[in-house]
Amino acid sequence: GAGVSQSPSNKVTEKGKDVELRCDPISGHTALYWYRQSLGQGLEFLIYFQGNSAPDKSGLPSDRFSAERTGGSVSTLTIQRTQQEDSAVYLCASSSQVFQNTEAFFGQGTRLTVV
Amino acid sequence: AQSVTQLDSQVPVFEEAPVELRCNYSSSVSVYLFWYVQYPNQGLQLLLKYLSGSTLVKGINGFEAEFNKSQTSFHLRKPSVHISDTAEYFCAVRGANNLFFGTGTRLTVIP
Repeated sequence: GAGVSQSPSNKVTEKGKDVELRCDPISGHTALYWYRQSLGQGLEFLIYFQGNSAPDKSGLPSDRFSAERTGGSVSTLTIQRTQQEDSAVYLCASSSQVFQNTEAFFGQGTRLTVV
Repeated sequence: AQSVTQLDSQVPVFEEAPVELRCNYSSSVSVYLFWYVQYPNQGLQLLLKYLSGSTLVKGINGFEAEFNKSQTSFHLRKPSVHISDTAEYFCAVRGANNLFFGTGTRLTVIP
């Protein structure tokens, strides 16, 4: 696609429910990142996928958070038993490994509200 | 491991005045450095990047940044700001693989 696509754009869920957030990276990009942006908190790294390598999960805040990337393309971030502190904008980005094009391109994000 | 520090969380500046947004990084390997901008209610977009070569890089909207290896800094500058520059600015560092961001600097341009 022309850019990174995230869905849904907005999600309101009840505390304790599970949610799935989807990211479609730019075609051909081997790297995919998930970040969380809370009010006044900047971009918090969650997880990083690079090709067929094992993902870097070091940023996931708890075991309620998980992510997968199928076929080296689409990624899904799952939050189980959501809590109010999970409310944030979840951003996905992808990048190429080609040197001159190594910057990350961001989607518009999914705004998650846990009520 | 890499990390990024943006020392100023908020920077107010009058219109047409110069501005500098500070960024320091730490890394044990060669790095690529980036500045991203997030306008109100919009996504992040790349402002400029340093990969190699000239230490002074120019980006969009009249912004530039200088890579200083000895001071491990990558400060963002603009000689004359406009109202439309009001936004959140993020510095980022990429080492061997992952991409880490600073906590952001909110630039507010005052008429």
